[in-house]
Amino acid sequence: QQQVKQSPQSLIVQKGGISIINCAYENTAFDYFPWYQQFPGKGPALLIAIRPDVSEKKEGRFTISFNKSAKQFSLHIMDSQPGDSATYFCAASLSGTYKYIFGTGTRLKVLA
Amino acid sequence: DTAVSQTPKYLVTQMGNDKSIKCEQNLGHDTMYWYKQDSKKFLKIMFSYNNKELIINETVPNRFSPKSPDKAHLNLHINSLELGDSAVYFCASSYPGASQFFGPGTRLTVL
Repeated sequence: QQQVKQSPQSLIVQKGGISIINCAYENTAFDYFPWYQQFPGKGPALLIAIRPDVSEKKEGRFTISFNKSAKQFSLHIMDSQPGDSATYFCAASLSGTYKYIFGTGTRLKVLA
Repeated sequence: DTAVSQTPKYLVTQMGNDKSIKCEQNLGHDTMYWYKQDSKKFLKIMFSYNNKELIINETVPNRFSPKSPDKAHLNLHINSLELGDSAVYFCASSYPGASQFFGPGTRLTVL
């Protein structure tokens, strides 16, 4: 009930390609779904987040797609750049609570 | 700068020693967290404090003792360090259910 399953574990994409990372959750009470980006030696940083009342949110080259019925959400990175090479974490939370559930992370490498 | 800060950034110590990591946030958040990130990059929550009160304790050995002197500070004291404690420890803060802001991490190496 409390898991967030993230795939793939690692991803290699050519420069200019689309990177897609998927997450699935079990607890239908979750209502906040952020994505974090972590560069080596740094802390995770919020990239983009979505609430389940919308099916898609776009910020620049980053888009979250949300499928409430399937209990899945995904991060799409358009026109992937070598500077996007990092570890990406999805997470799920319930408003007003204090606990996040993080996915296991995806190591993205964008080849120049 | 508004941020979550941690000290020290690196900590190398011998098994059996006691060490502390300090965290401060000036974002005005009510809730602070400690996470452990292992070599596989898994992020595991250890503790959460809300307004100086412990609200999450995720089956962490009692050698780990958090302390929150005020809602802007959350420290982590570790007794009798073991090899398996080697990891990167992240402090974070947030409003409940909202985005978390992470510190830069403390890389702990136990020899």
